[in-house]
Amino acid sequence: DQQVKQNSPSLSVQEGRISILNCDYTNSMFDYFLWYKKYPAEGPTFLISISSIKDKNEDGRFTVFLNKSAKHLSLHIVPSQPGDSAVYFCAASKGDDKIIFGKGTRLHILP
Amino acid sequence: DTAVSQTPKYLVTQMGNDKSIKCEQNLGHDTMYWYKQDSKKFLKIMFSYNNKELIINETVPNRFSPKSPDKAHLNLHINSLELGDSAVYFCASSLQSRGPPWETQYFGPGTRLLVL
Repeated sequence: DQQVKQNSPSLSVQEGRISILNCDYTNSMFDYFLWYKKYPAEGPTFLISISSIKDKNEDGRFTVFLNKSAKHLSLHIVPSQPGDSAVYFCAASKGDDKIIFGKGTRLHILP
Repeated sequence: DTAVSQTPKYLVTQMGNDKSIKCEQNLGHDTMYWYKQDSKKFLKIMFSYNNKELIINETVPNRFSPKSPDKAHLNLHINSLELGDSAVYFCASSLQSRGPPWETQYFGPGTRLLVL
């Protein structure tokens, strides 16, 4: 049962443009959401998070938007840079429970 | 300095063998985890230990046994390896034992296990 879904396995974006990665979840009890970035042969690294009491969190070029009614969150990267090419994992948790990860979306930034 | 390290990086072995993966963190964290990323790319928690005490044990076959000699180490021993055990295993550590902020959770580089 996939509680966190990333329906796009891959995404290609021109350098300098906006990258939008999407994530849907099924459990309305989730109250904390995170995005991780993963390069090949490395472990995931934390990128940005958002609590369910907010609908937007921004950190430099990265912004996460949360739409609780739609059970949807998105990660915006503006402007996209070559170093952003990686796999991005969406994740969610409720209370003190464990993190549930999505399958990831591979982002390719094109020159 | 590597924060969370795992050995080996690659492990190729025959079905039925017993193998161990080691993990060490130098961050002074109290909690360590093992995650499995299977062929479908899902990253799922297997175990977590806080100060050498088991606090999360997901539905994992008892062929998998974590061992924490001290809070800086969490090793994973797998008995009677099966084809379905082929996956990437990630170790992680964090400051707190449960709940957010998950930002303090750091992952190791992963161990790629292939069972033939």
